[in-house]
Amino acid sequence: GQQVMQIPQYQHVQEGEDFTTYCNSSTTLSNIQWYKQRPGGHPVFLIQLVKSGEVKKQKRLTFQFGEAKKNSSLHITATQTTDVGTYFCAGPNFGNEKLTFGTGTRLTIIP
Amino acid sequence: GAVVSQHPSWVICKSGTSVKIECRSLDFQATTMFWYRQFPKQSLMLMATSNEGSKATYEQGVEKDKFLINHASLTLSTLTVTSAHPEDSSFYICSARGHSREPQHFGDGTRLSIL
Repeated sequence: GQQVMQIPQYQHVQEGEDFTTYCNSSTTLSNIQWYKQRPGGHPVFLIQLVKSGEVKKQKRLTFQFGEAKKNSSLHITATQTTDVGTYFCAGPNFGNEKLTFGTGTRLTIIP
Repeated sequence: GAVVSQHPSWVICKSGTSVKIECRSLDFQATTMFWYRQFPKQSLMLMATSNEGSKATYEQGVEKDKFLINHASLTLSTLTVTSAHPEDSSFYICSARGHSREPQHFGDGTRLSIL
């Protein structure tokens, strides 16, 4: 079945440093979605990328969808304590019926 | 917009009890609802997909008789964990979606602890 892996599994950064998480799918995706889950909370939708090579920005967050539509990345510039949480990518299976979530990258910030 | 309400948020009960969790889409009609299970520090694992008015589709390895899902309307789906045991303790999260190309919106989740 479809597998979606993320690296790194954990990332500890000093506040103000940059952070990047990488997402790789075993199959080509029609789109890639990113979610953020704060400790003790539920996943919150961040963004969806559809086009090959697409890049989208949300303030300090930059999302990229690979040319082959099998990988994606999320880059956060100048991290803040509010960025703490686990970031999941998710890709739909054939037919867009359901999502396969990535393994997640847990970000902790050292003040 | 796109608010999903899930209740209860926390349940502690004795082994053998059945527990019902509700998932409601408050400001949109959810064609499809999804039920996930998440263990500590792990990713979300899809348990089942629920479409209004039809039987839920369960993922491989998920017991249909153990986890009963009912999607009675376009705004409500329920998950009943029947005869719960300690190994059923987990964080259960529902999500809801309108059309197939729309993102999923998640409820707050239910922390289930079986003693």
